[in-house]
Amino acid sequence: AQTVTQSQPEMSVQEAETVTLSCTYDTSESDYYLFWYKQPPSRQMILVIRQEAYKQQNATENRFSVNFQKAAKSFSLKISDSQLGDAAMYFCAYRLPLYSGAGSYQLTFGKGTKLSVIP
Amino acid sequence: NAGVTQTPKFRVLKTGQSMTLLCAQDMNHEYMYWYRQDPGMGLRLIHYSVGEGTTAKGEVPDGYNVSRLKKQNFLLGLESAAPSQTSVYFCASNLNRESSTEAFFGQGTRLTVV
Repeated sequence: AQTVTQSQPEMSVQEAETVTLSCTYDTSESDYYLFWYKQPPSRQMILVIRQEAYKQQNATENRFSVNFQKAAKSFSLKISDSQLGDAAMYFCAYRLPLYSGAGSYQLTFGKGTKLSVIP
Repeated sequence: NAGVTQTPKFRVLKTGQSMTLLCAQDMNHEYMYWYRQDPGMGLRLIHYSVGEGTTAKGEVPDGYNVSRLKKQNFLLGLESAAPSQTSVYFCASNLNRESSTEAFFGQGTRLTVV
């Protein structure tokens, strides 16, 4: 079974600074997808960024980027120029491709990291 | 463009009462899921459906039942609520298509069982 581990329950960052959230996962598969979701106090789950395992290039979305280390099974999220609106719970998630025949497209989540942004 | 809508948003139940949570999506998605979110636990899969008329168990299915009679709706039922089912419940859906990998989530239902 796949597992996702976020070892930092809480983190804080000064506004305009950079912060990195850690995520490791365990899988025997060679092809899969990885995601970072943001959950603000409104509870809405918002997709921040995704990475396909077969792509060596790290995904980037504006101020958000990932450091994907496939051999180490590590998938960290870097937030640059942190803003007050970045304060939220962040979840790392894993999913197999449909063609894997796993039977579903379910996401396996880590326990989350609560990020605080200090003005 | 409603996306995924959950009803209700909040509910308080007494132990032993029953209720049904409704999830509706208007994106013609084949796959639908019910997750629960507990403090310090992340989101865990309760049940899922890969199409109309099909359901399957996830990681934490005990105490819940589901039905998918229509493609756009996925119902989660609690027959006899217990305090351990106090949680925030999320519904999600996505297409049965490799090119579209994003899951869309509802806004969540906060359920308290007293």
